[in-house]
Amino acid sequence: DIQMTQSPPSLSASVGDRVTITCRASQGISNNLVWFQQKPGKAPKSLIYAASSLQSGVPSRFSGSGSGTDFTLTISSLQPEDFATYYCQQYKSYPLTFGGGTKVEIK
Amino acid sequence: EVQLVESGGGLVQPGGSLRLSCAASGFTFSDYYMDWVRQAPGKGLEWVGRARNKADTYTTEYAASVKGRFTISRDDSKNSLYLQMNSLKTEDTAIYYCARPPSALGGPPIFWGQGTLVTVSS
Repeated sequence: DIQMTQSPPSLSASVGDRVTITCRASQGISNNLVWFQQKPGKAPKSLIYAASSLQSGVPSRFSGSGSGTDFTLTISSLQPEDFATYYCQQYKSYPLTFGGGTKVEIK
Repeated sequence: EVQLVESGGGLVQPGGSLRLSCAASGFTFSDYYMDWVRQAPGKGLEWVGRARNKADTYTTEYAASVKGRFTISRDDSKNSLYLQMNSLKTEDTAIYYCARPPSALGGPPIFWGQGTLVTVSS
């Protein structure tokens, strides 16, 4: 199975900050990676697919990069509605696997 | 608009069984692979399994943690996905989500329902 390791597990940031979350795969997954945002009591929402393609309707302050084993999700200017937990997931091979999540909290 | 509505959750004793359903609308259900994903209380996301479409002979994939206990099936005539859960354990307690990839060629679970809660407890 491909293990997905996210870092950091949590972070505190202020509105307007640039935030970067990383995700590392235990083996190469090309660009078969998706990023999700989840708010309390809600289903996850996809933000980025194929590592760097913005999902329709997602604000352009979100961006993704990487290929192979190392990936990043960047929020260029953190907004109040962005405080949430973020997950990466690989879909290169079965079983599909998620990272452990990164909780973005208000500083 | 893609809509996925899960049902069938509830309280069940360890060792018991439960069947979840997912009603799909807003797209041609028969064309798409479909997934189940779960989330234990206060924990991260765990992919449970996938049912492929008719073109791929309805084959299935499962996470190791549920293989042999859970069965995913679908009824394209009813636009419905199912998760039969047997030999339930306390660690199966979670919100169970039905999810769909972006295209009929597969990919990650992009569209999600709101989930149904399964509690396994004596």
